[in-house]
Amino acid sequence: EVQLVESGGGLVQPGRSLKLSCAASGFTFSDYNMAWVRQAPKKGLEWVATISYDGSSTYYRDSVKGRFTISRDNAKSTLYLQMDSLRSEDTATYYCARHVGDGSADYWGQGVMVTVSS
Amino acid sequence: DIQMTQSPPSLSASLGDKVTITCQASQNINKYIAWYQQKPGKAPRQLIRYTSTLVSGTPSRFSGSGSGRDYSFSISNVESEDIASYYCLQYDNLYTFGAGTKLELK
Repeated sequence: EVQLVESGGGLVQPGRSLKLSCAASGFTFSDYNMAWVRQAPKKGLEWVATISYDGSSTYYRDSVKGRFTISRDNAKSTLYLQMDSLRSEDTATYYCARHVGDGSADYWGQGVMVTVSS
Repeated sequence: DIQMTQSPPSLSASLGDKVTITCQASQNINKYIAWYQQKPGKAPRQLIRYTSTLVSGTPSRFSGSGSGRDYSFSISNVESEDIASYYCLQYDNLYTFGAGTKLELK
């Protein structure tokens, strides 16, 4: 059974950093591109970043470029999102998701809440 | 960046109705559109990929169609378990979600 379990969320002050993790199991992690998607309270879904299966390529939405870094450790089957210079507008539930062959995302984690507030 | 215009924002239906949601892309997305269902407090669930391919476990009352810039998603014979929000996702050029459609019972 495919499982994605996020951790590392919490309350953080504006301008500070936070690192999210997503532990994967039930599939060969190193075969799949992975993504982070977020959802602000009572709002819609917003793609944040994607990393290729081997970590050689990364892609970001414009609003997080230069502040967020997506990475992975295939030996640990874990995806990461390093979030620096956090802003109030980054407050959201962050989901990790698995990309399938055609590029869409099939399995999603349960999400982790990040609140940026003083 | 590709923009996705999803409509309507909300939809009210009776059990057994057929409902349709549309997404229009700002440019041709070559059928690279997926549809997701999200219930309150839960993660999104993929229902359809590549315009019309039902993913494993998706009931046959769900369907998708379209090409170029214009796509639609339908539920025939709405059931109570279908009450949720629905999102389109284009993945032809990076990724963009539609704003979502909240399906409620009339």
